[in-house]
This record gives sequence, structure tokens and C-alpha cells, in this order.
Amino acid sequence: QKEVEQNSGPLSVPEGAIASLNCTYSDRGSQSFFWYRQYSGKSPELIMSIYSNGDKEDGRFTAQLNKASQYVSLLIRDSQPSDSATYLCAVNPSYTGGFKTIFGAGTRLFVKA
Amino acid sequence: NAGVMQNPRHLVRRRGQEARLRCSPMKGHSHVYWYRQLPEEGLKFMVYLQKENIIDESGMPKERFSAEFPKEGPSILRIQQVVRGDSAAYFCASSTGEETEAFFGQGTRLTVV
Repeated sequence: QKEVEQNSGPLSVPEGAIASLNCTYSDRGSQSFFWYRQYSGKSPELIMSIYSNGDKEDGRFTAQLNKASQYVSLLIRDSQPSDSATYLCAVNPSYTGGFKTIFGAGTRLFVKA
Repeated sequence: NAGVMQNPRHLVRRRGQEARLRCSPMKGHSHVYWYRQLPEEGLKFMVYLQKENIIDESGMPKERFSAEFPKEGPSILRIQQVVRGDSAAYFCASSTGEETEAFFGQGTRLTVV
């Protein structure tokens, strides 16, 4: 089992819709979770971090964490074509002392105008 | 406050040459991470350093690769006797400490010809 798993996509949604990106992780003791956005040919950009169970909202983005199910998701409301990118889920597993961030392979999102 | 600075942005080396990649972390950040990203693939952890110490190099190939983060100056990722398979984007990230968000530099795109 991969340490951090994401559906590679591509996920295609129409402009204005909600895009839902999902991620599962294997280490039950993980405490820190992050979502990064990466445009083609660019570096990853941190968009959300979440540490506690539940929802965390920031503008059009909502991160959801369920530690019991080892599941973290990112919702993008009112999707825009500029949201088209690869979204990387990242986790700091407890067995690394929490310092080694493990990245999923990413989900490609296409928002159609 | 400047972000994470990497240079050069693009580096071309012939097979057998050495490549030196530099990373200056954000001000106040003492933790540096190096990742490699092959085309169309996710980020792979290579090495984690704090000032003058290598904390975890489990993701770095045993041969030809080395990293340092001296007391003064940038972190250096060094690849000796490069081969075509070393062609990739190399990203550096920095953070203030364990389990905190890491911020990425713009990356160095290494091409081995």
C-alpha cells in the first residue's frame, strides 16, 4: 500500500461546479496534512494545511480530515479555469518524527469554461 | 521576505559532469528538504537537513548524490557523474520546524545530454 494515495485523474468539472479531490494515507499516527497546487512546469504551492478532524475553510477551498478513516479531501467551490492544475496531497507520517513530508502522486484537475 | 531561492533555474550538463544545485531557505527557516520530480510523476523525498546536519537521507541514491547545509550559505545538492536518468526537476523546500508547512522554491530543471 502506498503511503499517500490519490486518484491520478484527470478530474474534469465545469466552471462554477464543486471539485472534490480525495486522498488516503496509511500511517494512522499522522498528525499533519497539506494540500499543494502545482501548475504545469511550476513548483508546488501550499494552499491548505489541516491538523484536526473536521473541516477547515479558506475562501473557496475546504479541507476535510477524518483520521479514523485515514482520509483527507479538498473541496473547491465555484471552480474556475484558473484552478486547473495538479493537486498534491501531503502527509507527515508519525514514524518519521513528523518531519518527512510524503507526497501523493497528485490529481490533475481540469475546469472547463 | 524573500521566498525559498533556488539556482540555477535551468542546468544542462553532459553525461559524466557534476551538477551543483543551490537552495537558500526562507528567512528564519532552519529545515531544508530536497525533492525530485520526474516528468509526469509526483514528488519524491530525497533528503532532509538542518544546519550542518543531515537528518534523513533515506530517499537519496547512495552513489553519486550528496547534500549539505553549512552553517553559512545555501544548501547544496551535488550530483557527480550525471547520467541521463538524473534529468528531472529538483525542488527545495524549507520550514521553521517539524510538522510545519514547507514552502517550495521554484526548482532547478536539470537536463543531462
